[in-house]
Order: sequence, then C-alpha cells, then structure tokens
Amino acid sequence: AQSVTQPDIHITVSEGASLELRCNYSYGATPYLFWYVQSPGQGLQLLLKYFSGDTLVQGIKGFEAEFKRSQSSFNLRKPSVHWSDAAEYFCAVGPILTGGGNKLTFGTGTQLKVEL
Amino acid sequence: DVKVTQSSRYLVKRTGEKVFLECVQDMDHENMFWYRQDPGLGLRLIYFSYDVKMKEKGDIPEGYSVSREKKERFSLILESASTNQTSMYLCASSLWGEGNTEAFFGQGTRLTVV
Repeated sequence: AQSVTQPDIHITVSEGASLELRCNYSYGATPYLFWYVQSPGQGLQLLLKYFSGDTLVQGIKGFEAEFKRSQSSFNLRKPSVHWSDAAEYFCAVGPILTGGGNKLTFGTGTQLKVEL
Repeated sequence: DVKVTQSSRYLVKRTGEKVFLECVQDMDHENMFWYRQDPGLGLRLIYFSYDVKMKEKGDIPEGYSVSREKKERFSLILESASTNQTSMYLCASSLWGEGNTEAFFGQGTRLTVV
C-alpha cells in the first residue's frame, strides 16, 4: 500500500528566509508525486508534480521540489518565503499504472507560519 | 480551467439527519472523489467513482454512501449524521488513465453536526 509521511507538523520561518518541507513516501515503484497548498478555508491548489524525467521540478509561486529515489523523498523548497506563503502544504502520491480511480494518498500536512 | 463546485461552504445539521453533499465538475472528468480532512490526519479518502453509477470504497467509508447518476455530479450522503462526522469535506475530480493522476479540488464543505 502506498503511504506518505510529512514529519513536520508545524514550521515557522521568517519572511525572506529559505524553506524546505519534507516528504517521504512508500510505494512499490516510482509513483506520481504532488505538492498541494491549502490556504485557510480553501480547497487544495496544485503547486507542482513529478511524473518522470528531470528530478528537479518547478512549480507555481516560486516553489520547486526534488525527487530522490534513493531516499524515497520529494522535498519542497523555496529560496525566499513571502508572508503570503503561510498555509498548509500537503504531499501526495499516486500510482502510475491504474486499474481505475487514480487514487491519491495524502500526507498529514505541514502548517507553515511566516514571521514578518 | 477545471472547476469543481461544492454546493455549500458551510452546513450545520442535527444528529440523525440525512445529509447530502453535492459536487459538480465541468471538465468531463471520469474520476471523482470525496475526501474528509481533519487536523493532524490530512485527507482521507471516503469514496471514489471512475464512471457513472460506479463507486468504490476508500479508506473510511463507514457511515457514508455516494451517488453518481451523471458524469459531472458526485454526491456524498450521510445516512444518519453523527457528531464524529463533523469535518471538512473535499470533492475532487481527475481524468482517467495513465498520466492523469492530478486531482482538482473544490473549495470544501465544512460540516458541523450538533
């Protein structure tokens, strides 16, 4: 069964500082990997995704993530955080080959607080 | 743009009531999903559907049922609401097939059962 671990429940960074949010997954093969962001009271918005190819993927809002097969990780990074980045971030894994449903499995989320 | 619309942002219902949460998507997606979101637990899959009238249980289906009579609409039903079903409910949709795992989400319905 696929699973996702986000070890950091809460992270606080200062505006302008760099950010790294951790994500580890468990899956029998190379999965599809996603990072979503959720602002308060809103649904989830896709930040970026990895299917294959270059292991460093770029997303919206200046975010990037790196897929490391040897570590089963897909960490999210941003070089300089803005106050508007304060939100909850979810890592998700999904199967490449599907019999139906294309189900995603989500981590428990990391709440990011940005100090001005 | 893909749009997934949930009929209510906030709902307050009484224990024992039958509750319907409605979700509509406008991009002809085959797959639709209902997730429940609780603090510290992330998103947990309740049910999903990959075709009209087709449904499969997710990880936490107990106390819920679903209906998909039309491709664009996926309803979540709480047969007899209980206080432990107070939560945020998120609907999502995606295309069928390899390479189409990306899910698009609605704004969510925050349900309170009193």
